[in-house]
Amino acid sequence: AQSVTQPDIHITVSEGASLELRCNYSYGATPYLFWYVQSPGQGLQLLLKYFSGDTLVQGIKGFEAEFKRSQSSFNLRKPSVHWSDAAEYFCAVVLKGSGDKLTFGTGTRLAVRP
Amino acid sequence: GAGVSQSPSNKVTEKGKDVELRCDPISGHTALYWYRQSLGQGLEFLIYFQGNSAPDKSGLPSDRFSAERTGGSVSTLTIQRTQQEDSAVYLCASSYDREDTQYFGPGTRLTVL
Repeated sequence: AQSVTQPDIHITVSEGASLELRCNYSYGATPYLFWYVQSPGQGLQLLLKYFSGDTLVQGIKGFEAEFKRSQSSFNLRKPSVHWSDAAEYFCAVVLKGSGDKLTFGTGTRLAVRP
Repeated sequence: GAGVSQSPSNKVTEKGKDVELRCDPISGHTALYWYRQSLGQGLEFLIYFQGNSAPDKSGLPSDRFSAERTGGSVSTLTIQRTQQEDSAVYLCASSYDREDTQYFGPGTRLTVL
């Protein structure tokens, strides 16, 4: 079945440590790929997106993500986490040419330890 | 520039009442989307408007849900005869064109008592 999987429900990292949030998709073709962040009581903010081209994508707030076709993955990374990064992170896809709705993963809640 | 705005920010209603939720998209954006975020179901698509085309209603959970978009701009999501399972945050997003980046509003938190 077509799906977006974020295997980690909760992650806790220390401030200053590196971060990697996992995202895998299961579709016949490569979809458009997105990472959104949601801070408490806030709407969704786009961190970065992949449509085509360079597989390493730079986003806002020092985040990056790497598209790996062979692994059907689009993992989000940050080399040094700040306390303000504590939030919920959603991976999402749009299946090309088959409608424009975003299909979201279940989200990963990030806590940052001082 | 101004982002997507939604009103009200919070809505508490009694079971069986009708509610209307409003979304003002970013000026010039032709595509408008409604999503719902609930504890049990996560983030799920409801309905999509693109220009003057017929909306994609494939995500609406029941015929109690409807939406319209007037003049290609403001959209209203209406839920009739609300049920407790309708309690959720309703998010609106807009994009410049189809398959373009979607920008989200802050959401309307609906609580059905």
